[in-house]
Amino acid sequence: QVQLVQSGAEVKKPGASVKVSCRASRYTFTNCYMHWVRQAPGQGLEWMGIINLSAGTTNYAQKFQGRVTMTRDTSTSTVYMELSSLRSEDTAMYYCAGPGAEGVVTRFDYWGQGTLVTVSS
Amino acid sequence: QSALTQPRSVSGSPGQSVTISCTGTSSDVGGYSYVSWYQQHPGKAPKLMIYDVSKRPSGVPDRFSGSKSGNTASLTISGLQAEDEGDYYCCSYAGSNTLVFGGGTKLTVL
Repeated sequence: QVQLVQSGAEVKKPGASVKVSCRASRYTFTNCYMHWVRQAPGQGLEWMGIINLSAGTTNYAQKFQGRVTMTRDTSTSTVYMELSSLRSEDTAMYYCAGPGAEGVVTRFDYWGQGTLVTVSS
Repeated sequence: QSALTQPRSVSGSPGQSVTISCTGTSSDVGGYSYVSWYQQHPGKAPKLMIYDVSKRPSGVPDRFSGSKSGNTASLTISGLQAEDEGDYYCCSYAGSNTLVFGGGTKLTVL
């Protein structure tokens, strides 16, 4: 059973950065991908970007270009999402989500439990 | 990348069928056979219900079905049950390893 376990809730001040982790168990890092999706309170889902877990290459939504960095550590099967220059509008639940087959980028079979990031002065 | 367009809400009585639409463009929904649908209950992570327009993951009841025509995809839930109530999101591949979600639809079972 694949499990994606995310780090705990964070409270940050405007202008700061946050780094959220997602540890995968029983999820192959060979030719697989991981996405990050966020959901502001009472709002819909928003795709942030994707990382290739073997090559480490990334592709980000235009909205987050320059502010988001996705990395991975293959030795610990952990994926990271760092968002900088935080503003109040970044207050949201952040999810890692992975496809269920190698080489697939087009769906999210597995989801982490979510990490609430609150940006407040 | 503009969000796909979904109705804000739909409703139906137990046993009835409902359909949720998801309208995009030729650059996303209309250009690829990679539309997926997610169900989300309050306080929970989303759950994959349909992928590749019309395929159901193991464990998803066959009451859930998906289709696509042109730039509009649809999710149909037949034999509506109380536990189907929740939010539903469509998502489409938009090329170059990017994806885009719909704004979400709240399903109420009357």
